[in-house]
Amino acid sequence: DIVLTQSPLSLPVTPGEPASMSCRSSQSLLSSEGYNYLNWYLQKPGQSPQVLIYLGSNRASGVPDRFSGSGSGTDFTLKISRVEAEDVGVYYCMQGRQAPLTFGGGTKVEIK
Amino acid sequence: DVQLLESGGGLVQPGGSLRLSCAASGFTFSDSIMSWVRQAPGKGLEWVSTITANSGSTYYAGSVKGRFTISRDNSKNTLYVQMNSLRAEDTALYYCARCRVQTSGWCNWFDPWGQGTLVTVSS
Repeated sequence: DIVLTQSPLSLPVTPGEPASMSCRSSQSLLSSEGYNYLNWYLQKPGQSPQVLIYLGSNRASGVPDRFSGSGSGTDFTLKISRVEAEDVGVYYCMQGRQAPLTFGGGTKVEIK
Repeated sequence: DVQLLESGGGLVQPGGSLRLSCAASGFTFSDSIMSWVRQAPGKGLEWVSTITANSGSTYYAGSVKGRFTISRDNSKNTLYVQMNSLRAEDTALYYCARCRVQTSGWCNWFDPWGQGTLVTVSS
């Protein structure tokens, strides 16, 4: 199984400041077609997860452009250019390369 | 609007059975790969099962294989999971999710997710 390791576990942030988190995979998520099968989700308190970034760097519909995904192979990063109060919650990475689909343990973002 | 609405959760004794349903609307269900994902209380996300659009292939997490059966009725736009031999560790909020596909024909990411239905396994 592909293991995804997220860091940090907790990320206190200041509104208006940038934030960054990491997801590291135990196997390459880069396919022969050139796609990185790594996705990012945000689960806001009391809500279902929602996709933010798919295939490594593609923002999902309706996601603000302050969110960006980067990386390739085994190392990926989610960045928030200027954190807003509504961005609090748990961020999960997930690999869609192969079964079983697996998630990272999550990074909890909270306002300082 | 794309919507997924789960139902069927509840309290069940260890060893018991439960069937969850997920009613889909706002998209062509019969063309979509669908999945179940669960989240134990206070824990992270765990993929449970996936079924292809025509029910030709099904996939299971090792933790549920042999006990859970995923199915669908495209005429009713509904996804199911039959859960047998339930254990305390199956206690979780169960989400259904539509799979999005790039080129591989596999379930590459989930969008959207339903609101979930809670399954509690306890005596």
